Amino acid sequence: DGGITQSPKYLFRKEGQNVTLSCEQNLNHDAMYWYRQDPGQGLRLIYYSQIVNDFQKGDIAEGYSVSREKKESFPLTVTSAQKNPTAFYLCASSLASGYTFGSGTRLTVV
Amino acid sequence: AQSVTQPDIHITVSEGASLELRCNYSYGATPYLFWYVQSPGQGLQLLLKYFSGDTLVQGIKGFEAEFKRSQSSFNLRKPSVHWSDAAEYFCAVGVYNNNDMRFGAGTRLTVKP
Repeated sequence: DGGITQSPKYLFRKEGQNVTLSCEQNLNHDAMYWYRQDPGQGLRLIYYSQIVNDFQKGDIAEGYSVSREKKESFPLTVTSAQKNPTAFYLCASSLASGYTFGSGTRLTVV
Repeated sequence: AQSVTQPDIHITVSEGASLELRCNYSYGATPYLFWYVQSPGQGLQLLLKYFSGDTLVQGIKGFEAEFKRSQSSFNLRKPSVHWSDAAEYFCAVGVYNNNDMRFGAGTRLTVKP
């Protein structure tokens, strides 16, 4: 079955450390997205990519970085510059008729 | 840019009762509208979507939504709620090609036995 795979499901980050969240899709979708979800705030867009080797900042890109070297993959790096990274991160992809979401990664700073 | 408002942060209904979750959008042209459901610790699952045509849209799990242009609304309804419907529900509005979709803050549904 086609879908989006996010890994790991849980991730712990120490202060000052960079961590990378994986997002892989086999839906042949061109566009991919990263969202951050905090309680009571809905989904906020971090970065999105419409084609390979191109990506755009969303509403809260500071402290995050992405790459899109392959159509199937859109990893998100949470850098040490992100001062409050504890959140639930969702990856999504789309073709033209709505988004398909992964099951999310919960990142916690320890 | 488009935006979405879900006026109700939390709703509690009894099992078997009817449900209506409100969604209001702001967009100058005809929007693409979506409802998603999220169980705790999971991703979002698409319930239904409206692009054009019939303003009453049927979705999965017995849900439906009605697009009312005059009220800029896209409310989600279900005639009889089941305990398994307890979750968070998100309304979203998109534009052509859905590359700029905006989500509401969500409505958390609790179902009483």
